[in-house]
Amino acid sequence: DAMVIQNPRYQVTQFGKPVTLSCSQTLNHNVMYWYQQKSSQAPKLLFHYYDKDFNNEADTPDNFQSRRPNTSFCFLDIRSPGLGDAAMYLCATSSGQGKDGYTFGSGTRLTVV
Amino acid sequence: DAKTTQPPSMDCAEGRAANLPCNHSTISGNEYVYWYRQIHSQGPQYIIHGLKNNETNEMASLIITEDRKSSTLILPHATLRDTAVYYCIDVRGGKLIFGQGTELSVKP
Repeated sequence: DAMVIQNPRYQVTQFGKPVTLSCSQTLNHNVMYWYQQKSSQAPKLLFHYYDKDFNNEADTPDNFQSRRPNTSFCFLDIRSPGLGDAAMYLCATSSGQGKDGYTFGSGTRLTVV
Repeated sequence: DAKTTQPPSMDCAEGRAANLPCNHSTISGNEYVYWYRQIHSQGPQYIIHGLKNNETNEMASLIITEDRKSSTLILPHATLRDTAVYYCIDVRGGKLIFGQGTELSVKP
């Protein structure tokens, strides 16, 4: 089945050590999104790509970067993780058409030690 | 930011209909209303979406008021597995911006 795949499911990283989370999709969707979800909170949009066009949310910290080398893959890089960056990170895709749905991956739960 | 308002929590008896309300009074004419749910520690799951007309699929029904300022998600026969946080989302500029959602507890 076409889907959005996030690896790994769980990631532990050390305080200040760069970490990369990955997302891949088989839907051939134009748009890919990264969300951060902290415990008991709603998902918060960090940024998204429309094709290769990167769009950062205004309040996304500089510590968070993203790369999209091709249509299928998108990466979230956290340059210097702090304890406050521990969260579930969700990847989603859409076709970019307003009438279509958005498909989410299962998420990567990041722990910072 | 999120422009939808939902009650923080609701209870429903197993087998009964669950009616989850949402206010989206600032929605514009061409923006869809989406409903997603999130079961603990999983990614959000698509339920249904609509623009003006009521919609029904195998999971739920969506009733949108004529003025489009509010909608109701109906789970016709709630089961214990429907216990989750339900998000009503007003898409802005192609982006899903989540509000706080409704935590639905289905009880035996």
